[in-house]
Amino acid sequence: GENVEQHPSTLSVQEGDSAVIKCTYSDSASNYFPWYKQELGKGPQLIIDIRSNVGEKKDQRIAVTLNKTAKHFSLHITETQPEDSAVYFCAASHNDYKLSFGAGTTVTVRA
Amino acid sequence: NAGVTQTPKFQVLKTGQSMTLQCAQDMNHNSMYWYRQDPGMGLRLIYYSASEGTTDKGEVPNGYNVSRLNKREFSLRLESAAPSQTSVYFCASSQTNEAFFGQGTRLTVV
Repeated sequence: GENVEQHPSTLSVQEGDSAVIKCTYSDSASNYFPWYKQELGKGPQLIIDIRSNVGEKKDQRIAVTLNKTAKHFSLHITETQPEDSAVYFCAASHNDYKLSFGAGTTVTVRA
Repeated sequence: NAGVTQTPKFQVLKTGQSMTLQCAQDMNHNSMYWYRQDPGMGLRLIYYSASEGTTDKGEVPNGYNVSRLNKREFSLRLESAAPSQTSVYFCASSQTNEAFFGQGTRLTVV
């Protein structure tokens, strides 16, 4: 099955700086790559996703890039704010709607 | 619009006890899922139901059973709880790729 690795496991950034989280996947058939944000005591919530026919997608301060050849994708958060502090998960799937998740990255934005 | 509702939110069980975690969604989604979340391991799929009347094993199904009662409801049963099943359990539903998650059930087995 699909194996998704996520790095780093923790990330501390100064408010206003950028944060980058990287994931690799093993199954070349995977074609959907979402990113979820989980706040304390809540369930994960989709913040952005990308499909394999696109190399980059941006939504305000959040962007995701995909390199299909290298089988890795990344989340970029610019101008970080305290409310960006959370656990972020990458995931991958290939048309059967089952998501394989990375282990998560705990992001702390220092004021 | 409640989305995905899980009950209970917290539960403590003794080893060997049984219990059922309940999940209901009001978005008319075909697919429903049960995940467990453990520190440093992300979310791992226990069971899923692609549509009403079907269920399939995920990555970590041992020790669990599920029932897709109708399109709205998908329950997870622990027949004989073990300390290794101490975890946070999330139910999710989807119609396409995007999954919507419930608030989670924190289960402790002592």
